[in-house]
Amino acid sequence: GIQVEQSPPDLILQEGANSTLRCNFSDSVNNLQWFHQNPWGQLINLFYIPSGTKQNGRLSATTVATERYSLLYISSSQTTDSGVYFCAVSHTGGFKTIFGAGTRLFVKA
Amino acid sequence: DSGVTQTPKHLITATGQRVTLRCSPRSGDLSVYWYQQSLDQGLQFLIQYYNGEERAKGNILERFSAQQFPDLHSELNLSSLELGDSALYFCASSISGTSTDTQYFGPGTRLTVL
Repeated sequence: GIQVEQSPPDLILQEGANSTLRCNFSDSVNNLQWFHQNPWGQLINLFYIPSGTKQNGRLSATTVATERYSLLYISSSQTTDSGVYFCAVSHTGGFKTIFGAGTRLFVKA
Repeated sequence: DSGVTQTPKHLITATGQRVTLRCSPRSGDLSVYWYQQSLDQGLQFLIQYYNGEERAKGNILERFSAQQFPDLHSELNLSSLELGDSALYFCASSISGTSTDTQYFGPGTRLTVL
């Protein structure tokens, strides 16, 4: 099956810093989503981005489908950005959604 | 708030018991998905339903079963519970259940098996 790898596994930032999270996938996909799991466990949709670039406030994402990776950019990080960021993909022609192991982010005040 | 509701929020039970988790999808969504999040396995897809019919099956144990009712709510039944079934169980919903859909997640049910 399709493999999803996220890096780095852990990240500690000082408030105000920028960061880039990466998601690599092993096969063609027609769905890629980024989620933020907050400290209370809630999974929040950030982006639906099977290809191209999107921006939402301080967050932006880029997926290069032909090279099988996606990047999530967080600018001017805030303590409320802390949590785990997941990348999830669906294989072209399939229905199952595969999640990466996540990047755990801690933003220090 | 995603619009997906799950009950109960927390559930504590003993080994060997049976529990039912409930999910109501967002208004207008026809497909529901169930996921299990555990410390050792991460987020795992269990099963998907579309308009009452099973559409895809993932790593769901034979002790687990699910169904989607005519009003589109779904239930996940877990039986002969083991300590290792302790996890956060998420339900998600989407409009059409295709692989290109955006999935919206509920708040989860935290199951503790003692």
